[in-house]
Amino acid sequence: DVKVTQSSRYLVKRTGEKVFLECVQDMDHENMFWYRQDPGLGLRLIYFSYDVKMKEKGDIPEGYSVSREKKERFSLILESASTNQTSMYLCASRSGQGGGYTFGSGTRLTVV
Amino acid sequence: TQLLEQSPQFLSIQEGENLTVYCNSSSVFSSLQWYRQEPGEGPVLLVTVVTGGEVKKLKRLTFQFGDARKDSSLHITAAQPGDTGLYLCAGGRTNAGKSTFGDGTTLTVKP
Repeated sequence: DVKVTQSSRYLVKRTGEKVFLECVQDMDHENMFWYRQDPGLGLRLIYFSYDVKMKEKGDIPEGYSVSREKKERFSLILESASTNQTSMYLCASRSGQGGGYTFGSGTRLTVV
Repeated sequence: TQLLEQSPQFLSIQEGENLTVYCNSSSVFSSLQWYRQEPGEGPVLLVTVVTGGEVKKLKRLTFQFGDARKDSSLHITAAQPGDTGLYLCAGGRTNAGKSTFGDGTTLTVKP
């Protein structure tokens, strides 16, 4: 069964902490994505990557960075967590040949 | 900016009823996907449509891509409580790369 695995389902962090969200896929997909999902705002793209060591800003990259050192792993970094970054974070991957996304189960992050 | 508008935003029906949800845009998409998301989980891909006018069926779900590839619909026949969830459509201008997501239709099917 193909999978996108996010390292944590729930996370509570303090304001100002550096936060790492990890995502691993086992499908050899070229493309990986980080979204956040908030009520009334839908899915918003933070960053995406077309290949190892490559990254592109999405619609809301401020306050975030990413790392893709290996094809299967895409990490989202909150440099200094703030309360407005409390959200559901979703990682997804997609083949370079097209088709739909495969999403992880999400990480519910609360910043206090 | 490509926008996908989904309607209705919320839908509450009784078990056994039929329903249709819509996904509309002023832009042309090379492909369009439908996903279902349950609370606390990530979205799960239901279908991808790529050809204008295409119709795909998945058990009681029927998906249609508009002739001009700007819109799509999802029809559910004889809805069941297990159909409850957030239905999202997403479209892209290329077959790979990033997609634009609609805001979703929240469906509740009451027993």
